[in-house]
Amino acid sequence: GENVEQHPSTLSVQEGDSAVIKCTYSDSASNYFPWYKQELGKGPQLIIDIRSNVGEKKDQRIAVTLNKTAKHFSLHITETQPEDSAVYFCAAGRGNQFYFGTGTSLTVIP
Amino acid sequence: EPEVTQTPSHQVTQMGQEVILRCVPISNHLYFYWYRQILGQKVEFLVSFYNNEISEKSEIFDDQFSVERPDGSNFTLKIRSTKLEDSAMYFCASSVIPASNQPQHFGDGTRLSIL
Repeated sequence: GENVEQHPSTLSVQEGDSAVIKCTYSDSASNYFPWYKQELGKGPQLIIDIRSNVGEKKDQRIAVTLNKTAKHFSLHITETQPEDSAVYFCAAGRGNQFYFGTGTSLTVIP
Repeated sequence: EPEVTQTPSHQVTQMGQEVILRCVPISNHLYFYWYRQILGQKVEFLVSFYNNEISEKSEIFDDQFSVERPDGSNFTLKIRSTKLEDSAMYFCASSVIPASNQPQHFGDGTRLSIL
């Protein structure tokens, strides 16, 4: 089955700096890679996604890159704000299910 | 924006009892999912459901678990005889078409505590 690794597990950045979270996956059949933000007491909320036929996607301050050959994908948040503080999960989609990474707890220090 | 809603937000149950977790997926979505998140761990897939039958299930989804769409709006997860290790957050999700290339939208979860 699919195995998704995510690093780092915790990340602290100063407000205004960039944050980068990296994930690797094992199954080349995975073809969809969403990123979710989870705030305390809430369910995961989709923030950006990328499909396997695309190398990079950007939405305002958030961007995701995908390297299919190396089987890794990354989330980039620029100009971080305190409200970006949350747990971020990457996932790899294959068939009817997602395989989630272990999460990154991001803290943006004002 | 349409949302997936889950009830109850918190369920406390004695070990060995049956529990039913309820979900109302987004109305035009056709695929439904249950996931589990043990405290501090990753979100784990349990089961996917389409056209009134299970599409895929994980090793976690054993004979103690069952899912049902009893009417046109609700999607339920039943745990027949709960164990201590069933304590977790349970998330329902839905999507328009299969997860292979489309986002799943998650509810805010039900925290299940087994005593």
